[in-house]
Amino acid sequence: DTAVSQTPKYLVTQMGNDKSIKCEQNLGHDTMYWYKQDSKKFLKIMFSYNNKELIINETVPNRFSPKSPDKAHLNLHINSLELGDSAVYFCASSERWTSGVPETQYFGPGTRLLVL
Amino acid sequence: GDSVTQMEGPVTLSEEAFLTINCTYTATGYPSLFWYVQYPGEGLQLLLKATKADDKGSNKGFEATYRKETTSFHLEKGSVQVSDSAVYFCARAPSGGSYIPTFGRGTSLIVHP
Repeated sequence: DTAVSQTPKYLVTQMGNDKSIKCEQNLGHDTMYWYKQDSKKFLKIMFSYNNKELIINETVPNRFSPKSPDKAHLNLHINSLELGDSAVYFCASSERWTSGVPETQYFGPGTRLLVL
Repeated sequence: GDSVTQMEGPVTLSEEAFLTINCTYTATGYPSLFWYVQYPGEGLQLLLKATKADDKGSNKGFEATYRKETTSFHLEKGSVQVSDSAVYFCARAPSGGSYIPTFGRGTSLIVHP
């Protein structure tokens, strides 16, 4: 009954490879996110989708491409992996309040990506 | 732009000590404020939140009060335990037409027996 799940939990790969991380939420939320957390624990938002529509697209290399096949899933595909992509990637979801903005976020367990 | 500033860590305490982690924010309007906790090897989880000025959020012995006059949301706990060792993130909901939530840089708390 995991609320937000991600696969894989660990990903070790060579520079130049292409990889995907999958995320699913069973909370019925409208909004999903991808965050990148560096080794100093700094959390940077990358993308957000609301009802399968991209609403946040921060300054992220275009090697990163999110895909939302439906409201419950948000996947992250990374092309031509670089050493600097090594980090922990978190998926999150939230419901929108009547104020129109997303509120409490529910995070997945993270995917630890190591690029060699 | 809007931001959240929290004290740098690590904060190192002995068990049963009093904890304060400072957090200040800038924002358009009065967005909801949050504290999230990240235990080693896990994702962030909501610790507490406050949705309007003067609200106090509380959970597991932690408290924080939404102070609009000082734009602060400091986290406190009267007696910390070793199991409280984690990274704590202050955050605010989007405001002013933005959809982007803002997180502080995180404060690592280490509690020794």
